[in-house]
Amino acid sequence: EPEVTQTPSHQVTQMGQEVILRCVPISNHLYFYWYRQILGQKVEFLVSFYNNEISEKSEIFDDQFSVERPDGSNFTLKIRSTKLEDSAMYFCASRDYGQIYGYTFGSGTRLTVV
Amino acid sequence: GQQLNQSPQSMFIQEGEDVSMNCTSSSIFNTWLWYKQDPGEGPVLLIALYKAGELTSNGRLTAQFGITRKDSFLNISASIPSDVGIYFCAGQDNQGGKLIFGQGTELSVKP
Repeated sequence: EPEVTQTPSHQVTQMGQEVILRCVPISNHLYFYWYRQILGQKVEFLVSFYNNEISEKSEIFDDQFSVERPDGSNFTLKIRSTKLEDSAMYFCASRDYGQIYGYTFGSGTRLTVV
Repeated sequence: GQQLNQSPQSMFIQEGEDVSMNCTSSSIFNTWLWYKQDPGEGPVLLIALYKAGELTSNGRLTAQFGITRKDSFLNISASIPSDVGIYFCAGQDNQGGKLIFGQGTELSVKP
């Protein structure tokens, strides 16, 4: 079954450093998403992306965050200057045009800011 | 903002028992979804509901979308050890739109 692939599975970074989280969505999918889950809490929406632009973003997705689809297969989330409170699991998700509800999530990248 | 309240927060049951968990919202959603999350993994879709009053089954799972579109329940019958995990409800306003997740119900199953 097709999967959304995220790398790395775990990343440790120093506070203030830039970090890029990488995702390879399912190949024929057109809509892409990032969510995050702080340890022990619920999953929260960050941003949705379609046709090379942001469709919607949450209050969490401030100027420190950006997303990019640099080529035909990757979808990245960049955090410019990480803070301790950015420590969380970050999930990428994708869906295709005809998918009515929900979408497919990746296994996540655990980001630890020290 | 839109919020989903999920209950109970956690459940400890014996293998073979049936389980029921609920989710309520202050606002209406067009689609309601139930996801399961295993440790260290992303959420996996179990059941999707998009008609008010709809009752849908997927194996041992049964879910219903409330008539008011503001609530849902998920039942698991004859639980087994691999049912262990965190179950999240999620509401979606429109096709492909953001998901609003509940806080999750952590299920533990004793063999």
